[in-house]
Amino acid sequence: DTEVTQTPKHLVMGMTNKKSLKCEQHMGHRAMYWYKQKAKKPPELMFVYSYEKLSINESVPSRFSPECPNSSLLNLHLHALQPEDSALYLCASSQESGREKLFFGSGTQLSVL
Amino acid sequence: GENVEQHPSTLSVQEGDSAVIKCTYSDSASNYFPWYKQELGKRPQLIIDIRSNVGEKKDQRIAVTLNKTAKHFSLHITETQPEDSAVYFCAASSAAGNKLTFGGGTRVLVKP
Repeated sequence: DTEVTQTPKHLVMGMTNKKSLKCEQHMGHRAMYWYKQKAKKPPELMFVYSYEKLSINESVPSRFSPECPNSSLLNLHLHALQPEDSALYLCASSQESGREKLFFGSGTQLSVL
Repeated sequence: GENVEQHPSTLSVQEGDSAVIKCTYSDSASNYFPWYKQELGKRPQLIIDIRSNVGEKKDQRIAVTLNKTAKHFSLHITETQPEDSAVYFCAASSAAGNKLTFGGGTRVLVKP
């Protein structure tokens, strides 16, 4: 299995809702990432987990809360989002963090109303 | 932190012609430079990468060159085909080696 699986593919939520994005990989990768991508822009790093520990938080607002329950799973908990948070949220994994090939999931297209 | 500039932002070529995309980076300690292709509505996928101990790397119709002194690297696509139409992102690894910084992207359109 050389895929990163993300659910859901699409999500519409109100500003008062709480939702979670899920990501799973079974390649034995030890680094997992959350990226945010706006239309016609490059992926923007949010968080990096290395060996199940948060190693990078790119000054992301606290309304985004990552969680790594085990080496195969990565969640992103969403609460009190703003309309400007609407974007494609991509999960990725790599063998180790940094200078290695990133395997991206197909993303969750999030709309905040 | 690292800053990666990518040019051009859009590139239109005739099928069969070559396409060249250029990137510059700011951190002289960066030593890993991947290129990702993202088709419309799809995930980014790695197409080629190069490390700083190598000046050039080829994979069929795709090649990447690196000039560490000038801090720039380029993607070359020869004999372009319609399926090469996509957005291409260059990236550079930070000195600490724990994250990638992406360039702004180049939208390539190959006209049949």
